[in-house]
Amino acid sequence: QSALTQPASVAGSPGQSLTISCTGTSSDIGDNDYVSWYQHHPGRAPKVIIYDVSRRPSNVPNRFSGSKSGLTASLTISGLQPDDEADYYCTSYTNSKTYVFGSGTTVIVL
Amino acid sequence: QVHMVESGGGVVQPGGSLRLSCAASGFTFGTFAMHWVRQPPGKGLQWLTVISYDGNNRYYSDSVHGRFTVSRDNSLSTLYLQMDSLRPEDTAIYYCAKGNAGWGTFFDSWGQGILVTVSS
Repeated sequence: QSALTQPASVAGSPGQSLTISCTGTSSDIGDNDYVSWYQHHPGRAPKVIIYDVSRRPSNVPNRFSGSKSGLTASLTISGLQPDDEADYYCTSYTNSKTYVFGSGTTVIVL
Repeated sequence: QVHMVESGGGVVQPGGSLRLSCAASGFTFGTFAMHWVRQPPGKGLQWLTVISYDGNNRYYSDSVHGRFTVSRDNSLSTLYLQMDSLRPEDTAIYYCAKGNAGWGTFFDSWGQGILVTVSS
């Protein structure tokens, strides 16, 4: 159950777009469409921003979008805002009925 | 409004035991899967375990399988995590998280977390 692979950090200026990748295996991301993404501000509870690869909860702005191709899922943040600075984690359901998180990506707003 | 509060954390010696609780409110607890997730200091989130809405199905990560036991009391709307044979690497903030359905494929609400420190 190795963690899914994410870049350690990505940076962008306000208003720009950035994309975070999440690479897994045929046992997790490649096995199903149950990839979700979480935003985690330090000291606060994590918050789901994307589920089932590309679905967005009603309280999440449409600046956040998700996709998947093969063994890699992606989260795109458009129109970057200062409050988007946080840690982001992908998660996938696995064929063993367990779940695995990504290694986490820190988004830096320049 | 969904609300979950973890309790039972603290400092424990290596090899010791601790039981965490997660008191839930604001939703029909007995119809949703529940999870435990942790975050060691300076590291990322780690999924630990899931229990189905009725308690009949439980799965664990390799890192805690055989040492941790998840359970629930739907009459009390409370989730538990019994942690035995604790190791220093179990030091982390522990979160309970609500699944999106009776089994569920993502975590739609989280508690604020509770700190567990394993140290002599």
